[in-house]
Amino acid sequence: QQPVQSPQAVILREGEDAVINCSSSKALYSVHWYRQKHGEAPVFLMILLKGGEQKGHEKISASFNEKKQQSSLYLTASQLSYSGTYFCGTGYQGGKLIFGQGTELSVKP
Amino acid sequence: EAGVAQSPRYKIIEKRQSVAFWCNPISGHATLYWYQQILGQGPKLLIQFQNNGVVDDSQLPKDRFSAERLKGVDSTLKIQPAKLEDSAVYLCASSLVLGGSYHEQYFGPGTRLTVT
Repeated sequence: QQPVQSPQAVILREGEDAVINCSSSKALYSVHWYRQKHGEAPVFLMILLKGGEQKGHEKISASFNEKKQQSSLYLTASQLSYSGTYFCGTGYQGGKLIFGQGTELSVKP
Repeated sequence: EAGVAQSPRYKIIEKRQSVAFWCNPISGHATLYWYQQILGQGPKLLIQFQNNGVVDDSQLPKDRFSAERLKGVDSTLKIQPAKLEDSAVYLCASSLVLGGSYHEQYFGPGTRLTVT
């Protein structure tokens, strides 16, 4: 039931783009995205509630394909501050949020 | 607006000892969550409260873990007795309303527990 994130890790140079995927084997009601820096609490980025919904947050955006039961997080023109571990949290009927295993993103100068 | 507060930030205990963690959610947030995050993994929900009632505790190891949220505000999570596999970061989160999957959750800094 835990969503699967890919890739597990990615290394970028400043200014490069990245895509992080989150897939579920069950029908989704919502997808949350959080970023966690080492030793800190996860920080909320965005939530997608409808199939096909897309949202943006600065140069970070996400899409939600309800039919395919998956979501993607897009990071464009990456900055050093984007480094961290990105988690998707998938919401199912009943309201519980289940987090993926995380994608570690490193942005190098 | 103050964030979610947790204490202590770090705790080292020996196996079979007991430990307690405290959490104060964002003011006005009705829903409170306790998560366990093992190194290299995503947070795993242990228990969810709506005001002072339990909504979901299906993944709480009830033989050793207990949690309460008296008066619907702050909460404590206890482990007694602790095992080596309990070593993890314990995160508290809160959200404004019930419906964990429909509303953003705000996390506290966590308590890093090491069981030796």
